[in-house]
Amino acid sequence: EAGVVQSPRYKIIEKKQPVAFWCNPISGHNTLYWYLQNLGQGPELLIRYENEEAVDDSQLPKDRFSAERLKGVDSTLKIQPAELGDSAVYLCASSKGGGQGNTGELFFGEGSRLTVL
Amino acid sequence: GNSVTQMEGPVTLSEEAFLTINCTYTATGYPSLFWYVQYPGEGLQLLLKATKADDKGSNKGFEATYRKETTSFHLEKGSVQVSDSAVYFCALRAHAGKSTFGDGTTLTVKP
Repeated sequence: EAGVVQSPRYKIIEKKQPVAFWCNPISGHNTLYWYLQNLGQGPELLIRYENEEAVDDSQLPKDRFSAERLKGVDSTLKIQPAELGDSAVYLCASSKGGGQGNTGELFFGEGSRLTVL
Repeated sequence: GNSVTQMEGPVTLSEEAFLTINCTYTATGYPSLFWYVQYPGEGLQLLLKATKADDKGSNKGFEATYRKETTSFHLEKGSVQVSDSAVYFCALRAHAGKSTFGDGTTLTVKP
């Protein structure tokens, strides 16, 4: 079974430029997450999708960040324009979805490391 | 809101030493608890989990017991190996579906 696939693994851009990250979750996983991980810290949720609906985007800085999951499968996270403080690792994760009996294990991709110069 | 506090690292041990990484949490209700591990150059992966009080999760020689009375989920291993060198994250999942992570503890095991 293929795992969560993210691209690109590394991206270096200058501030004020746009950047996009792509994620393909594990087949059959209805729930998709984007997390932000700063150096030395744990992942922090940016947005969670149930199928194509964003059910929790309270931590997403909507002035510059946007995300979509149009067909309820793969997803794109965009930053425009990027700022120096956006340098971090952007993690995508998926799970089987809500419902009783689901213990909520998350399956993570390898992450996309962004450096903003 | 929910929170997870891990012991500060990094932790450096010799091979075959005993490992404890402390984790305490604050949450409403009865969350599920997890330990994730991130090996160098890889993504986070589940190490073990416990879904209710007094449950013990175990995997690869690691163990953690869900202690509701002390709101803790400490990770232990009796004899660490060099291959256990990684970053370990404690996490909880509330029934609303949101997961909260600790800041991670870096373990280095020396031969």
